[in-house]
Amino acid sequence: QVTLRESGPALVKPTQTLTLTCTFSGFSLSTSGMCVSWIRQPPGKALECLARIDWDDDKYYSTSLKTRLTISKDTSKNQVVLTMTNMDPVDTATYYCARSKDSNALDYWGQGTLVTVSS
Amino acid sequence: DIQMTQSPSTLSASVGDRVTITCRASQSISSWLAWYQQKPGKAPKLLIYKASSLESGVPSRFSGSGSGTEFTLTISSLQPDDFATYFCQQYNSYSLTFGGGTKVEIK
Repeated sequence: QVTLRESGPALVKPTQTLTLTCTFSGFSLSTSGMCVSWIRQPPGKALECLARIDWDDDKYYSTSLKTRLTISKDTSKNQVVLTMTNMDPVDTATYYCARSKDSNALDYWGQGTLVTVSS
Repeated sequence: DIQMTQSPSTLSASVGDRVTITCRASQSISSWLAWYQQKPGKAPKLLIYKASSLESGVPSRFSGSGSGTEFTLTISSLQPDDFATYFCQQYNSYSLTFGGGTKVEIK
């Protein structure tokens, strides 16, 4: 059974760095073709893909946010970590992690974690 | 980045209606398109992948079609559980992008 769960602070201040952790089970990120992505959704708005990390450690970032994002994995802990620097109130959103195989659709999602950026 | 445009943004329908949602890509994405259903406070759920393949466990009243730049999601007979927001997503490029969403409301 595949599960993913996001964890991290619910509240961050402007200019701070956000660190989110995706802890998953039911698959391994060392298996050929596996990928984990981070997606966010501001309240009442559409989804935005932020970053993806593949089984072979290839990494892909949102064009508009790539200077602020870093994605990494710890295969032994079944975790993927996303850091986003210089947080702003417009970054207030629910942040999801999700799995895909062989660069296909996102077939399993975490429940999401709401991050509010406010002083 | 490839832009995905969904229409309509809101749709009012009744139980039993046939519902169609359209998604257009700003450039050809072959069949690398997925559809998701999202209910309030929940994560998106994959319905359709590769434009027309039904994800395991998804009711057969959902279907997808299209290729290139024009795609549709059809619900053949709307059920009470189907009132939700639907998103399309392209995965032709590494920079994944989503449509703006279509909210299906009760008429």
